Amino acid sequence: EVQLLESGGGLVQPGGSLRLSCAASGFTFSTYAMSWVRQAPGKGLEWLSAISATGDGRYYADSVKGRVTISRDNSKNILYLQMNSLRAEDTAIYYCAKDRYNWNKGEFDPWGQGTLVTVST
Amino acid sequence: DIVMTQTPLSLSVTPGQPASMSCKSSQSLLHSDGKTYLYWYVQKPGQSPQLLIYEISNRFSGVPERFSGSGSGTDFTLKISRVEAEDVGVYYCMQSIQLPSYTFGQGTKLEIK
Repeated sequence: EVQLLESGGGLVQPGGSLRLSCAASGFTFSTYAMSWVRQAPGKGLEWLSAISATGDGRYYADSVKGRVTISRDNSKNILYLQMNSLRAEDTAIYYCAKDRYNWNKGEFDPWGQGTLVTVST
Repeated sequence: DIVMTQTPLSLSVTPGQPASMSCKSSQSLLHSDGKTYLYWYVQKPGQSPQLLIYEISNRFSGVPERFSGSGSGTDFTLKISRVEAEDVGVYYCMQSIQLPSYTFGQGTKLEIK
């Protein structure tokens, strides 16, 4: 069974940093592109970042460019999102999602269960 | 960025009745490769989003036949022929023709009367 399990969320002060992880299992991780999508409390979905299967291609939404870095360790089957200079508006559930292809097509299946990031004093 | 506009924002439907929701994009989602990069995702209460329809009209594995997608260019529609209680949730359209700027619609919340 394909599974994605996010971790690393929590309470952080404004200006702080967090590294989110997404542990993948049940598929050959190194052959699929991946993305991060977030959902602020009571709000809709916002795509944040994507990475190709090899890690060579990395893409960011304007809202987080310069503050987040996506990476992956294909030897450990883990996707990461390093987030810096966090703001209150970054408070959200962060989902990782597997693309159905090795390139970033935007066809996500499955999604993880999400990890909550709260930015507050 | 491409703006995705969904209507209505909420929908209340009697079980067994049809439901329809619209998604309009600010630019054409037809790529030069001939594919249209328009997807529908559903987020059921308390769950993560899940893929429903890909490339306008292709039902994803396990999606019931009562779900159908249609449209072209900038105008798209998701229809449920006969709504069931399990269909409750928020339905999002998403475009992925423009990387690195995938965008979602605001979502249409489907409730059962």
